[in-house]
Amino acid sequence: GAVVSQHPSWVICKSGTSVKIECRSLDFQATTMFWYRQFPKQSLMLMATSNEGSKATYEQGVEKDKFLINHASLTLSTLTVTSAHPEDSSFYICSARDHSTDTQYFGPGTRLTVL
Amino acid sequence: ILNVEQSPQSLHVQEGDSTNFTCSFPSSNFYALHWYRWETAKSPEALFVMTLNGDEKKKGRISATLNTKEGYSYLYIKGSQPEDSATYLCAFSPSAGKSTFGDGTTLTVKP
Repeated sequence: GAVVSQHPSWVICKSGTSVKIECRSLDFQATTMFWYRQFPKQSLMLMATSNEGSKATYEQGVEKDKFLINHASLTLSTLTVTSAHPEDSSFYICSARDHSTDTQYFGPGTRLTVL
Repeated sequence: ILNVEQSPQSLHVQEGDSTNFTCSFPSSNFYALHWYRWETAKSPEALFVMTLNGDEKKKGRISATLNTKEGYSYLYIKGSQPEDSATYLCAFSPSAGKSTFGDGTTLTVKP
């Protein structure tokens, strides 16, 4: 199957700093990527849909100014958690959609801890 | 909010046992149902994309069925092996694009 990378795998930062997470589709072009957040013992919660060359579409309750998404190329989407606070600590995972098969290929996720 | 439910939440079986679990989803506005396998410390891996009522798909010892009229899908594993231990997620798509995930079924296969 297709490969999606995510960087970094884990990050620890101080409260108030911003953290950028990258999601790359390595062997196919993805006009659509998705960003999810997973709370402990819960399922993947869709945060936003990232569209190449246009603004991301955010799910209800997700602050777009807090979670900045940029999808500048067909293989890269970034999620920036701005002014991170301890409640932003979570597991963030991205996926890239292969339109030909309507299959989402997931990255390995990023564990964010905000002190 | 779309309601996608998976049961059971967790399952422990012995090596060699066959097992199955369920994903239920809204029976209206169906586009696709996806099954993923998520092993610890790895990326979720796509198993099946199911689109037609009555679909049955198979990949090795794993198979899945789909009933869109009543809103459920079953995932079957024949002759479970320890390497099958993982969380199995289903995701419902009412249209092309984004999906709503269930909470998953965590399978543990004991040697």
